[in-house]
Amino acid sequence: AQSVSQHNHHVILSEAASLELGCNYSYGGTVNLFWYVQYPGQHLQLLLKYFSGDPLVKGIKGFEAEFIKSKFSFNLRKPSVQWSDTAEYFCAVKGDSWGKLQFGAGTQVVVTP
Amino acid sequence: SQTIHQWPATLVQPVGSPLSLECTVEGTSNPNLYWYRQAAGRGLQLLFYSVGIGQISSEVPQNLSASRPQDRQFILSSKKLLLSDSGFYLCAWSVGTKDRYTFGSGTRLTVV
Repeated sequence: AQSVSQHNHHVILSEAASLELGCNYSYGGTVNLFWYVQYPGQHLQLLLKYFSGDPLVKGIKGFEAEFIKSKFSFNLRKPSVQWSDTAEYFCAVKGDSWGKLQFGAGTQVVVTP
Repeated sequence: SQTIHQWPATLVQPVGSPLSLECTVEGTSNPNLYWYRQAAGRGLQLLFYSVGIGQISSEVPQNLSASRPQDRQFILSSKKLLLSDSGFYLCAWSVGTKDRYTFGSGTRLTVV
């Protein structure tokens, strides 16, 4: 069975600091990888996704993630965060053939002005 | 355009009462439908998914059930709520094997 692990449950940082959120997964086959974000009071929305090709994926709002197959990781990064990046971030994995989207426990990110 | 509706937004129910949460999708046909629960500190847990009318798969044993009476309607139910059923319930849909998931706005359920 596949599983997703997010290393940090709660991150606090100042504006302009760099952000990196770890995500590791366990799954025996080809995977599709996602990062979702949930801003306070809003829907879950897709930040970025990886299906194949360039392992460095760029998403919305200046986020990027790197798929490292050998490490089963898909870490999310942003070089300089803003107060508006305060949100909960979820890593998710789905098998390449039809399969259910499995989420990590989420990381609550708080950016202080 | 494709949209997903979920209601109610918040619900407070006593222990032992029944539950019915509804989710409908517009603008797409034969979607895959999902119910997730987000409990505090536990991320998003898949409860049920459906690939077609009347087809329901349960991911975890629990006090809840799901039904799909129409192609774009997905209902989450319980006959008798438990305190542990409290949480944030999200409906989602996808089409095909690679499509991303689109989530509804969620229902905050508090069982008292």
